[in-house]
Amino acid sequence: SQQGEEDPQALSIQEGENATMNCSYKTSINNLQWYRQNSGRGLVHLILIRSNEREKHSGRLRVTLDTSKKSSSLLITASRAADTASYFCATLLSSGSARQLTFGSGTQLTVLP
Amino acid sequence: EAQVTQNPRYLITVTGKKLTVTCSQNMNHEYMSWYRQDPGLGLRQIYYSMNVEVTDKGDVPEGYKVSRKEKRNFPLILESPSPNQTSLYFCASKQGLTDTQYFGPGTRLTVL
Repeated sequence: SQQGEEDPQALSIQEGENATMNCSYKTSINNLQWYRQNSGRGLVHLILIRSNEREKHSGRLRVTLDTSKKSSSLLITASRAADTASYFCATLLSSGSARQLTFGSGTQLTVLP
Repeated sequence: EAQVTQNPRYLITVTGKKLTVTCSQNMNHEYMSWYRQDPGLGLRQIYYSMNVEVTDKGDVPEGYKVSRKEKRNFPLILESPSPNQTSLYFCASKQGLTDTQYFGPGTRLTVL
């Protein structure tokens, strides 16, 4: 089964509202990364949070990590129509080999103008 | 411009006809990977390479081959494609084990 699972699978909000997506995982991680994918395009890295960090910000993005609950959240504030995309979390396991970046199945965010 | 390129971007082929999808990165990254993306399944790793001449299987390697003869290139080879290999394929690279990955634009493959 997949290491990372996003919740919800789909989210539809109005422009200007905040969007929150959650990611849960099963085993100890080195870091957790969030990626964005516009329809049919490549993934673009948004933010990386290490296992010893609890919160990171990047522009309108805020990521939290709770290693005790094995969960992370991505908050997009003041959403725009251009934020419409799929968002994926990916976890890099603590016991490292290059293969162990595991992606969830994503949250499809739709921001309505 | 730092980037990962893939070719072709779109390919329609028939069962059994060998094909190669090329991947190249200009960032001198050591690590390269191939993923396939299918609806509801997210991205699944096919193969990865930690350096030249070093490759290893990911989660779904069956039916695929790779090679890493040069640091910048990591082609994906389908010796005898089958319809269940119809998917969207992504190549990715990164410098260090814990670094973020840079993805190519994707190759949409249809096997009839």
